[in-house]
Amino acid sequence: DVKVTQSSRYLVKRTGEKVFLECVQDMDHENMFWYRQDPGLGLRLIYFSYDVKMKEKGDIPEGYSVSREKKERFSLILESASTNQTSMYLCASRIGLAGGSSYEQYFGPGTRLTVT
Amino acid sequence: AQKITQTQPGMFVQEKEAVTLDCTYDTSDQSYGLFWYKQPSSGEMIFLIYQGSYDEQNATEGRYSLNFQKARKSANLVISASQLGDSAMYFCAMREKSSGGSNYKLTFGKGTLLTVNP
Repeated sequence: DVKVTQSSRYLVKRTGEKVFLECVQDMDHENMFWYRQDPGLGLRLIYFSYDVKMKEKGDIPEGYSVSREKKERFSLILESASTNQTSMYLCASRIGLAGGSSYEQYFGPGTRLTVT
Repeated sequence: AQKITQTQPGMFVQEKEAVTLDCTYDTSDQSYGLFWYKQPSSGEMIFLIYQGSYDEQNATEGRYSLNFQKARKSANLVISASQLGDSAMYFCAMREKSSGGSNYKLTFGKGTLLTVNP
């Protein structure tokens, strides 16, 4: 079974802090994704990566950056956390294009981040 | 403009009855894919079913089926014989090319909260 793990289930940070959210997958997937989920807004894509050191902006990249130094690990970075970044953050991975476009994304359990 | 529209914020169904969750989408691509995910209160996202735009038959997975009407751009999820464990948030998503053209991404709807009553 594919396993996607996230470093924390709950995190509380102060405004202005630098925050790192870590995601690790164990299925050698090429693609990894970061979403945020807010009530009434569904899931919105922040960034994704289709290979090591390769990244592409999603729909709401402002205030975030990402890092993918190894294939299995994809980090989301909040350079200076703000209260409007309080949210649930979900990481996902999927096989690359060679696997076919029908392949689903596998999600981690989520990190609920509160910025005070 | 919303690309995925789920018009039902909440739905109620009696146990053992069937329920349809609505999803309409907007795309000018000829090749696309539609997914449904379930999110129980525990928070994990569970893949349910996939429909490709060129698939002629509606997708089915156990008690889940996808009522795909291409001309109407709708991809409704039908759950037959509802169970208490089906109570969850349900998300419709569309696979489309990323803006950079390098890969595929999913765009999600806002979700429908389904409550199954005993």
